This record gives sequence, structure tokens and C-alpha cells, in this order.
Amino acid sequence: TQLLEQSPQFLSIQEGENLTVYCNSSSVFSSLQWYRQEPGEGPVLLVTVVTGGEVKKLKRLTFQFGDARKDSSLHITAAQPGDTGLYLCAGYNAGNMLTFGGGTRLMVKP
Amino acid sequence: KAGVTQTPRYLIKTRGQQVTLSCSPISGHRSVSWYQQTPGQGLQFLFEYFSETQRNKGNFPGRFSGRQFSNSRSEMNVSTLELGDSALYLCASSLKREVGEKLFFGSGTQLSVL
Repeated sequence: TQLLEQSPQFLSIQEGENLTVYCNSSSVFSSLQWYRQEPGEGPVLLVTVVTGGEVKKLKRLTFQFGDARKDSSLHITAAQPGDTGLYLCAGYNAGNMLTFGGGTRLMVKP
Repeated sequence: KAGVTQTPRYLIKTRGQQVTLSCSPISGHRSVSWYQQTPGQGLQFLFEYFSETQRNKGNFPGRFSGRQFSNSRSEMNVSTLELGDSALYLCASSLKREVGEKLFFGSGTQLSVL
């Protein structure tokens, strides 16, 4: 059973469109991370959010941590083909274990 | 600075065999964790080592084991392989064991069990 549910699982959009990926849980996490993974490679950390309500921006990517620290979202503005990949959220619990969501596979068509 | 190195990159084994995978962390990193990634289950935590001691263990059978050496290099072993063990095995290293610590992943070992 996944403690972190990501939606949607798959997303195919045209270049220039906006999108939001959601990461939800019934558990509280002390911090939450977002990773991007490309085929044949390991995940690469994009951001870590720690404080409830925190918003972080990374160029065209905006990450938000829910007030109750149970959910998070990733918003991409004007998506580009280079944004294609598997997006994973992951949360640290009190035991310092990192639990990953099932991932959102994004394809951005030129 | 070299990244996390995992060897071998690909591996094909048959049921019942055993396999050892290797991970060299980034220089200076003392924490190494292992994950199994499959299309159906996603990324699942196997175990974490810090200073040669296992600190956390995921929900996997005893056939999965690991160890860490004094130079922080780590190995994981899977005995009596089953078809369901086919997966991408990822190793990640970090400097410390703090919550929110940045993990650096290797490219993984793709294991196929026939």
C-alpha cells in the first residue's frame, strides 16, 4: 500500500501548456521531496519542502507543501519537451525513512 | 566530483541463483540506502546503512541483505532469486542521516530473473 498517492499517473500534453501534479497522504511528513527521473537514470532531487504552507519556485516549476504537511503539488508553467520524465514525490517520516509515491509519468510533445 | 556508481549496470540471472550488487557512494558520504523500482510497485525502500550499521530496513524478506564497508561502499545481496525480483535496484548516498537530507542516486542495476 502506497502511503503517498500521486495523481495523475500519466499525463501527455503539448508544449506550452500548464500542468499540476498532486501528491496526497493521510500521514504527516516531516519533509517532502520531489524528484525527476529520466529513462535509464536514477531520480534527481528537484526540491525539498519542510514547512507547512511552504511554496518554492524553481524556474517554471512551483512546489507547494500543504498546511498540514500531508500533501504537496508541483505546478509546471509553459511545459517544454525537456520536462518529460517521471516525477516522484517522497516523504520522510518520523523514523527517517523515505517513502516514494507511485510517480507521474509526464510527456510533453513539441 | 564523481557521482554514485553502481555495478554492474545490467544483470541476468535464473531463478534460485543469488546476486550481489555494488554501490560506491559520493566521496565523503557516509549514508547509503537501497531501493527497488518496479513498474507495478514503484520505488520501495530496502535498507539504509550509516557507518557500517544498518539503520533502517524496509518490508522485504530475509533473502534481501546488505552491508557497508569502512570506506562507505555498500553491497546488497539477494539469495534464492525469484521472478518477482526482476527490477531496477537503485542506490543513493547522502552526507548525513538528517530528515530532508538530499539523496544522490546512482543509475541503478537492472536485474532480470529468468
